[in-house]
Amino acid sequence: DTAVSQTPKYLVTQMGNDKSIKCEQNLGHDTMYWYKQDSKKFLKIMFSYNNKELIINETVPNRFSPKSPDKAHLNLHINSLELGDSAVYFCASSLRQTEAFFGQGTRLTVV
Amino acid sequence: DQQVKQNSPSLSVQEGRISILNCDYTNSMFDYFLWYKKYPAEGPTFLISISSIKDKNEDGRFTVFLNKSAKHLSLHIVPSQPGDSAVYFCAANFGNEKLTFGTGTRLTIIP
Repeated sequence: DTAVSQTPKYLVTQMGNDKSIKCEQNLGHDTMYWYKQDSKKFLKIMFSYNNKELIINETVPNRFSPKSPDKAHLNLHINSLELGDSAVYFCASSLRQTEAFFGQGTRLTVV
Repeated sequence: DQQVKQNSPSLSVQEGRISILNCDYTNSMFDYFLWYKKYPAEGPTFLISISSIKDKNEDGRFTVFLNKSAKHLSLHIVPSQPGDSAVYFCAANFGNEKLTFGTGTRLTIIP
């Protein structure tokens, strides 16, 4: 049983397109996150949701819009993709103020 | 401004010996520290954590040491095994669920 699953694992798309990455957790956690790992391998938080409410938004361009339909899901929609958006995106979840569990990552390549 | 630093990008250790991974932080507000292990094409996996009220936490072969005055923590793995070869990330937070990660250290265990 996968605890935090995200799809797709790989995504190759052209500049200007709109794409979504889905994330689901079956751990019963109340907090979910999106992290970005850039070309320098630096893992940086983008968003955090607690009980479907946005609690952290780390100066991410508004082309990125997270959507949490329920506590177990946090999807990431990206509009007008740019070359610089190429990275690995990780979804994670946790109970508040405990360790986060990560999904396997989505490698996004914008061409 | 990188608040969590791992100054050694790589480390090689003989199998059976001790591996010591280091991490420094600048934000004195951090009160919870974690180590994650990451294999290629997988998400980070939680390894061990320590609260700022402690200076040591042990779990099997893994021990984390925290020196608050020096703003330094380290992860000791003993004895090192080939399966320990991975990238290790140090992370920290201060209760707002936002994990701040270091850039990682690639550990290679030599058989």
